[in-house]
Amino acid sequence: QLQLQESGPGLVKPSETLSLTCTVSGDSIRSGYYWGWIRQPPGKGLEWIAMIYYSGSTYYNPSLRSRVTISIDTSKNQFSLRLSSVTAADTAVYYCARNGLFVEQQMADYWGQGTLVTVSS
Amino acid sequence: QSALTQPASVSGSPGQSITISCTGTSSDVGGYNYVSWYQQHPGKAPKLMIYEVTNRPSGVSNRFSGSKSGNTASLTISGLQAEDEADYYCSSYTIANTLVVFGGGTKLTVL
Repeated sequence: QLQLQESGPGLVKPSETLSLTCTVSGDSIRSGYYWGWIRQPPGKGLEWIAMIYYSGSTYYNPSLRSRVTISIDTSKNQFSLRLSSVTAADTAVYYCARNGLFVEQQMADYWGQGTLVTVSS
Repeated sequence: QSALTQPASVSGSPGQSITISCTGTSSDVGGYNYVSWYQQHPGKAPKLMIYEVTNRPSGVSNRFSGSKSGNTASLTISGLQAEDEADYYCSSYTIANTLVVFGGGTKLTVL
């Protein structure tokens, strides 16, 4: 059974960089699927952040593009998110997810449990 | 403001059917058959219920069905059960540079 698990600090100071890692178990991250990050501010809706393929191809939400980096480590079966210059508006539950077999498919069929990241001094 | 428009709330009694709409444009919902629906219970991760407009992942009850007409996609839940009470989100691939857009979410209340 495929499982995804987010890890990283739950508290980040304003202007610093948020870093999260998603560890995939139960299947290879090179299995042909896209992998991505989605976030949800408290009490609000879902926002897509970024997506990556095992080959390294990346796709970003234009509204976050200047601050976001998504990367993948196939040797560790992990992919990661870095979000720089964070503000209180970046406080959210961050989810990692498996995103489908091709870019257009956009079906997140497996999700991590989510991790709350709070931006505060 | 979300790119896809959903009603903020819908409600129904056990056993009834309800439909949640998701309205976009010809650049997303209307132009492609890549609409997904997610169910989210409080404090839990979203769960994929429908993909590619009409397809159900393995394990999802056949009480859930999806459809599309023009720029509006719909999720129908038949034989409403108490456990269906949750937030529901639609999403779609978009030709715009955002790649994927979400609806603002609909809170389903089972009366």
